[in-house]
Amino acid sequence: QKEVEQNSGPLSVPEGAIASLNCTYSDRVSQSFFWYRQYSGKSPELIMSIYSNGDKEDGRFTAQLNKASQYVSLLIRDSQPSDSATYLCAVNYNFNKFYFGSGTKLNVKP
Amino acid sequence: GAVVSQHPSRVICKSGTSVKIECRSLDFQATTMFWYRQFPKQSLMLMATSNEGSKATYEQGVEKDKFLINHASLTLSTLTVTSAHPEDSSFYICSAPGQRTDTQYFGPGTRLTVL
Repeated sequence: QKEVEQNSGPLSVPEGAIASLNCTYSDRVSQSFFWYRQYSGKSPELIMSIYSNGDKEDGRFTAQLNKASQYVSLLIRDSQPSDSATYLCAVNYNFNKFYFGSGTKLNVKP
Repeated sequence: GAVVSQHPSRVICKSGTSVKIECRSLDFQATTMFWYRQFPKQSLMLMATSNEGSKATYEQGVEKDKFLINHASLTLSTLTVTSAHPEDSSFYICSAPGQRTDTQYFGPGTRLTVL
């Protein structure tokens, strides 16, 4: 059984702070890792993908991957109220099958 | 970027009826599409892989006779929820892979409510 684990939250941070979201996965053969943002009643939208160990930065977002620890994280700098959403960690195992974590709800307080 | 549409966006039906949901890739061809289900406050659960010209592949625990999938063309996959019951009420989302094999384009989702 493929498992992707996330803390459900909610994670509350003040506006301008750094939000840190974490994810662990069970299958060592996983190669591709993704963070999606989902607003209530909407389908997920891709924020970042990461494939290699280390950090990957894109604007205010930084994804971190540690394959040895089977751990993926997402940092959001200068958090804005518009960042308030549920963040889904997804792992691509094979043939484009994506398995999602349960999501972490983020609240950014003005 | 690539666009995937779903129709209808919302549907309400009576228990025992069947509901068909369409998923279309609008500006690209998709030999494979994926169907997900999301219950409130839960994550997306992969239900099945739709394959153009062949049978769908279902995830463990998903009833293939209840959730009928037809991938009739390179741009259209349909999911039919047969004999729907209130417990089938959920948010159904389809996706299609992009040219890069690990990208996915999600449809906007279909909210199904079974009374």
